[in-house]
Amino acid sequence: AQRVTQPEKLLSVFKGAPVELKCNYSYSGSPELFWYVQYSRQRLQLLLRHISRESIKGFTADLNKGETSFHLKKPFAQEEDSAMYYCALRLMSNYKLTFGKGTLLTVNP
Amino acid sequence: KAGVTQTPRYLIKTRGQQVTLSCSPISGHRSVSWYQQTPGQGLQFLFEYFSETQRNKGNFPGRFSGRQFSNSRSEMNVSTLELGDSALYLCASSTTGGYWALHFGNGTRLTVT
Repeated sequence: AQRVTQPEKLLSVFKGAPVELKCNYSYSGSPELFWYVQYSRQRLQLLLRHISRESIKGFTADLNKGETSFHLKKPFAQEEDSAMYYCALRLMSNYKLTFGKGTLLTVNP
Repeated sequence: KAGVTQTPRYLIKTRGQQVTLSCSPISGHRSVSWYQQTPGQGLQFLFEYFSETQRNKGNFPGRFSGRQFSNSRSEMNVSTLELGDSALYLCASSTTGGYWALHFGNGTRLTVT
């Protein structure tokens, strides 16, 4: 069965510092990977998808199939980036997401 | 477009009772999924419906059931409630096109006493 692991429950950085939220997955096939974000008092929302190879709010994530990782990175963290971040995996054969347990990012002033 | 709407926002039930939660997807979205969110287990997939048919099901007991109506609105039912069913239940809708992504509602907070 597929699995998504986010090793850090909490991550704290200072404003302007680089940030990397780790995500590892276990699945032998070719999954689709996502990052979802939940800001305080807001609903869970899509941040980015690996297929789009896009940068959203300065965040990027590269799928590394060799290391089965999909780490989320931003070179200069902002206070408004403080939120709960979830990595998620979808098998191409179905329409469900398997989520990691999430990482709470706090960006200090 | 209006987002995914879930009602009610909060529910308090007693053990042994049953409960029905409702979800209205984004207009044009035909797929509706349900997830349970708890502090210990995180987000867990319950089931997914498309065109009134359940296409995927998670590892939950049969007490958890759902359905989807012809207008894509969905309901989830939990019978014989247990204390462990206390959770935030999230509904999400999606298209089935190339740009697949889930759009979540605000959830229904169920407390079982």
